[in-house]
Amino acid sequence: AQSVSQHNHHVILSEAASLELGCNYSYGGTVNLFWYVQYPGQHLQLLLKYFSGDPLVKGIKGFEAEFIKSKFSFNLRKPSVQWSDTAEYFCAVIPWGYQKVTFGIGTKLQVIP
Amino acid sequence: DTEVTQTPKHLVMGMTNKKSLKCEQHMGHRAMYWYKQKAKKPPELMFVYSYEKLSINESVPSRFSPECPNSSLLNLHLHALQPEDSALYLCASSQDGTSGALGEQFFGPGTRLTVL
Repeated sequence: AQSVSQHNHHVILSEAASLELGCNYSYGGTVNLFWYVQYPGQHLQLLLKYFSGDPLVKGIKGFEAEFIKSKFSFNLRKPSVQWSDTAEYFCAVIPWGYQKVTFGIGTKLQVIP
Repeated sequence: DTEVTQTPKHLVMGMTNKKSLKCEQHMGHRAMYWYKQKAKKPPELMFVYSYEKLSINESVPSRFSPECPNSSLLNLHLHALQPEDSALYLCASSQDGTSGALGEQFFGPGTRLTVL
């Protein structure tokens, strides 16, 4: 069965600092990859997604992620975080041919003004 | 319309009650999903309906009973729940549940369920 690992469970940054959240998955075949964000008290929103093509994916609110197939990684980055980025971030994987999404455990990001 | 709507937003029920959660989408999606999310945890898949037929049941207890009356609606019937079933219940939909762009899932805001 596939699994998703998010290495940073709780990250605290000051505003304007750069962000990188790690995500690794274990599945040998083709996958679809996602990053979702959940702001306090709100529902899951899609930040960005990778299906195929350019491995550098740009999403909403200045986020981007890079798919490195050889490392089974899909790390999320943002050059300069804002206080409003405080939220929980989930990496998710769907192997091709499957309907089940596997989520990582989530990373809680706290941005200090 | 790119929304998945869920009602009610909040629900409090006793262990002997029968209640239902409702999910609706008008994006023409043919796959719909129920997830359960406990505080500070990722969503856990419960059920998947594909073309109005149950395709995945993740060994969910029978006190949760899903129903897909048509391609736009998904219900979750609740009966004799336990306090540990208190959680955020999320509905999602995707074009047809297969891979690639068709498999992208759109999530609703959830129903916050409290079982007393």
